[in-house]
Amino acid sequence: EADIYQTPRYLVIGTGKKITLECSQTMGHDKMYWYQQDPGMELHLIHYSYGVNSTEKGDLSSESTVSRIRTEHFPLTLESARPSHTSQYLCASRSSTGELFFGEGSRLTVL
Amino acid sequence: KQEVTQIPAALSVPEGENLVLNCSFTDSAIYNLQWFRQDPGKGLTSLLLIQSSQREQTSGRLNASLDKSSGRSTLYIAASQPGDSATYLCAVRRSGNTPLVFGKGTRLSVIA
Repeated sequence: EADIYQTPRYLVIGTGKKITLECSQTMGHDKMYWYQQDPGMELHLIHYSYGVNSTEKGDLSSESTVSRIRTEHFPLTLESARPSHTSQYLCASRSSTGELFFGEGSRLTVL
Repeated sequence: KQEVTQIPAALSVPEGENLVLNCSFTDSAIYNLQWFRQDPGKGLTSLLLIQSSQREQTSGRLNASLDKSSGRSTLYIAASQPGDSATYLCAVRRSGNTPLVFGKGTRLSVIA
């Protein structure tokens, strides 16, 4: 069983607000990822990290930013939320064998 | 650029049937392949991981095979149950340091 946690699970906010989606894992994994997924649609990689102080942009252009100050923590921030940011955001970490483990996701609605 | 295709997009079967889900990828030079399950509104649950040197992996009623040369993987589910209803996703990794590339998934419904 993977130990990767995302908060909040659900968030409804107004346009222009700043939000941070939290992601933590207790497995000591170096590699972590953020994916965006609209209902019924495929996953799109938006950010990833190979370890502390490492962040990379993924395939899908995103207005969000990430940071990796500690191994276990990989938060994603939207400085000014818009309705187009409404989606599910999934965080994952990768074990040394290459297996990917996901959190339960954060479902964001921007009004 | 690696592309992953899953066929069919949706599948409905009666309870008890054995079934096969298909995954194909365009670049056969992969590092590993992973199958996931996703329930509505939830994250992904890892089912099976196949390293490039392996031909298959088994977990309970699930068996995944890998044929790198033909760019294909199958997920076999034996004696399907209504609780198996979910979307099943296949993903491949090109090298140890590249992210997974996901297919769009197969939505499975097992009817009691």
